[in-house]
Amino acid sequence: SQQGEEDPQALSIQEGENATMNCSYKTSINNLQWYRQNSGRGLVHLILIRSNEREKHSGRLRVTLDTSKKSSSLLITASRAADTASYFCATDGGRKIIFGKGTRLHILP
Amino acid sequence: SAVISQKPSRDICQRGTSLTIQCQVDSQVTMMFWYRQQPGQSLTLIATANQGSEATYESGFVIDKFPISRPNLTFSTLTVSNMSPEDSSIYLCSVSGDSQETQYFGPGTRLLVL
Repeated sequence: SQQGEEDPQALSIQEGENATMNCSYKTSINNLQWYRQNSGRGLVHLILIRSNEREKHSGRLRVTLDTSKKSSSLLITASRAADTASYFCATDGGRKIIFGKGTRLHILP
Repeated sequence: SAVISQKPSRDICQRGTSLTIQCQVDSQVTMMFWYRQQPGQSLTLIATANQGSEATYESGFVIDKFPISRPNLTFSTLTVSNMSPEDSSIYLCSVSGDSQETQYFGPGTRLLVL
C-alpha cells in the first residue's frame, strides 16, 4: 500500500520552538500533501508538494520531499498554542488520496 | 475553496438502527467523497459519490451497509445501516478542489453506537 506513515506519533514542544514531523510512504506518487485536524474536526489542507519538487514554503510551514527515500518532512517554525492539532500526510498516487496515521502535536505554554 | 456542512454534527444511536448523514457544499463539485475515521486513527475512504450513478466503494465497504445518494452536484448523503458499536467513528465528507488534487473537508459527524 502507498499509505504514508508519520513519525513521531506524538510530539510535545514548548511554544516558540520548531516542530518537525516526518512521513514515509511505499510507492510512487504524483504529489504529497499535509493536512491538519483540530480535535476530531474536519481536516484542513496545509500544503501540497509535487513529486518533482524538493522543498516548499507557506508562511511558517516548510515541507521537503525526497522521492529517492520516499519520505517527506513538515517543519512548523515558531510554534503557537493554536498549532496544537493532529497532522496527516496524504499521498496521491493517481487513483485516490491515502492518509497516514498522523502525528499528534501538542504545544506547551 | 468550498464550504461544506454536515448534519448531524453528532449522534448517539442504538445498535441495529440506521443513521443518514447529509453533506451540503456551497458550490457545484464533481467529486465528493465519504471517509470514516475510527477513534485515534487515520481516515479511510469509504466511497466516491458519483452524481447520477452508483457510488464507487472501496475494498471492505459495501452498498448494503453504507448506501450513498448523490442527487445533484452540491449534496450527498451517507447512511450507516444496521449499526453496531464498531461503527462508532467520525464520518467525514470531502470534495475535490478545482485542481482535483486537494480536498476540502466538512466538519465531520461524530457517531456513537451503543
